[in-house]
Amino acid sequence: EVQLLESGGGLAQPGGSLRLSCEASGFTFSSHSISWVRQAPGKGLEWVSDINSSGGTTQYADSVKGRFTISRDNSKNTLYLQMNSLRAEDTAVYYCAREIRYCSGRKCSGPSSDYWGQGTLVTVSS
Amino acid sequence: EIALTQSPATLSLSPGERATLSCRASQSIRNYLVWYQQKPGQAPRLLIYDASNRATGTPARFSGSGSGTDFTLTISSLEPEDFAVYYCQQRSDWYTFGQGTKVEIK
Repeated sequence: EVQLLESGGGLAQPGGSLRLSCEASGFTFSSHSISWVRQAPGKGLEWVSDINSSGGTTQYADSVKGRFTISRDNSKNTLYLQMNSLRAEDTAVYYCAREIRYCSGRKCSGPSSDYWGQGTLVTVSS
Repeated sequence: EIALTQSPATLSLSPGERATLSCRASQSIRNYLVWYQQKPGQAPRLLIYDASNRATGTPARFSGSGSGTDFTLTISSLEPEDFAVYYCQQRSDWYTFGQGTKVEIK
């Protein structure tokens, strides 16, 4: 069974730091890109960042670029999100999600997020 | 950045009725459009990828259509478990989400 388990959320002060983790099981972690998506209380979904299967390519939303760093340790089946210079507007539930492309022969679909963790709440407040 | 606009914000329908949700992109995204369902307190669930392909486990009453800038998610006959919030996401250039459409019981 595919599982993704986020941890590391909690209360942080403005300007502070937190590191989120996402532990994966039930699939070959090193074969998949993984994304972080967040959801502020009562609001919609916001893509934050993603990383390819090897960890060599990363992307960030403009809202977190330069403050957040995504990384992964394929030997530990774990994804990370280092969050620095936190702001009140970073308050949200943070989800990790497995990326997949459906392939038939040599033709593959665009990416989509097929499995999600249950999320970890980050609250930034003084 | 490509923006996605979902309409309506809220759809009030009864079980058994047909639901039609719209997602419009600010520029062409070809068919790189994904639909998710989210229920309160739960993580999103993948429904449709590449605008019209049902993901594994998605019931046949869900269908997606469109390409370029205009996309539609149709639920042919609403079941009680379908009342939820639905998000579209573009996968063409970065990965932005629409603001969501809430399908509520009338």
